Order: sequence, then structure tokens, then C-alpha cells
Amino acid sequence: DQQVKQNSPSLSVQEGRISILNCDYTNSMFDYFLWYKKYPAEGPTFLISISSIKDKNEDGRFTVFLNKSAKHLSLHIVPSQPGDSAVYFCAAYNYGQNFVFGPGTRLSVLP
Amino acid sequence: EAGVTQFPSHSVIEKGQTVTLRCDPISGHDNLYWYRRVMGKEIKFLLHFVKESKQDESGMPNNRFLAERTGGTYSTLKVQPAELEDSGVYFCASSQRGPGQGNEQYFGPGTRLTVT
Repeated sequence: DQQVKQNSPSLSVQEGRISILNCDYTNSMFDYFLWYKKYPAEGPTFLISISSIKDKNEDGRFTVFLNKSAKHLSLHIVPSQPGDSAVYFCAAYNYGQNFVFGPGTRLSVLP
Repeated sequence: EAGVTQFPSHSVIEKGQTVTLRCDPISGHDNLYWYRRVMGKEIKFLLHFVKESKQDESGMPNNRFLAERTGGTYSTLKVQPAELEDSGVYFCASSQRGPGQGNEQYFGPGTRLTVT
């Protein structure tokens, strides 16, 4: 049973527009959430994180929103750039436990 | 500063053979993790070392998998004997702090294992 779900396997967005990547989770005990970006033939790279006590965290063009009641988080990229094209993984963990990753969403930013 | 490195980058072996994957974490990172991604699905946790001790090996699929981290530096993951379903990309990651401490794990490029 997948505890972290990313229901959109792929997403295409025009350069300069907003990219919204979604993630849902089932385990209400998760305390911390992260987004990783992965280019082909490379390992995942940490992008941004959010603690369960917050509902928003922003870092430059990247903002993560957390809705605990809906067990949903999203990553917003504004404005999207071609270099953002990659697979994005949502990950979560409960303090003291290890990461649980979602299956990833492939983002394509079209010039 | 060097990142997490993994060797080999790609390994093709026959069913029943043995393969050993190596991971060198970032210097000074006591926490080392192994993950596996199969067929483009989610990245699944295998195990976690703190220095040379196995902190959590709950994700190891079966006893054909053996991980070691002698001396608390690099780690090896041995698969013996390999089966077809073991094919996938094996990632190693390291972090300064462990789970529950706001850690961000730094991943290596992965080893693509193909069992034929």
C-alpha cells in the first residue's frame, strides 16, 4: 500500500508559467515532507522541505504548500524554466523513521 | 566537497550470479542509506547505517541482500544469488543527521543493476 502518492506521472508546462506538482499521503503520522528533483542518470537532489507545523515554505521560485487536513502537499514552481524539466519526487517521514518516497512526476517545461 | 559516489554505474549479470555495489558517502556523514527504484516506480528504502551499525534494515527484501559498512566509511551491498526481480537502480544517500532531525539526504548517481 503506497503511503505517498503522486497521481500524475507526467506534467507539461509552458516556459514562464506556473508548474504545480501534487502529492498525497495516507500516514497522518508523517512529520516532515521533502521534494527531490532528479535528472536522468543522476541521483535525486534535495529541493525544498516543510515541517508538519507549517503550511508553507518558500525558496526562490519554489514554494511548497502543506494541507494537513487533506493530507496533501504541492510544489509550485514560478516561473517555470526549461532547466526545471526533471522527475520530481515527494518524500515524507515520521520522526525516527526513514523516508517514504512517492513514484515521481515527470515535469516537462516547453520553451 | 565530493558528493556521494557509487560504483559501478551499471552492472549486467546473469541470474544466480553475485554482484557487489559500493557507496562512498560524503566525508563526515555518519548516516548512510540504501534505496532501490524498480521499473520507474517509487524509491524504496532498504536500510540505514549509523557509522558501522545497522540502524534500520526493515526495507531489505530478503536474505539474498547483505549490506556492510566496515569502519563506518564506505558501504557495500551484495546481492547473492541475484534474481530477475532484483533489477533496478540502487541509490545510496548520506546525511549528517539522522531521521527526525530535519536531515536532507544527499544521493549518489545510482547503480543500474540488470539481471538477465
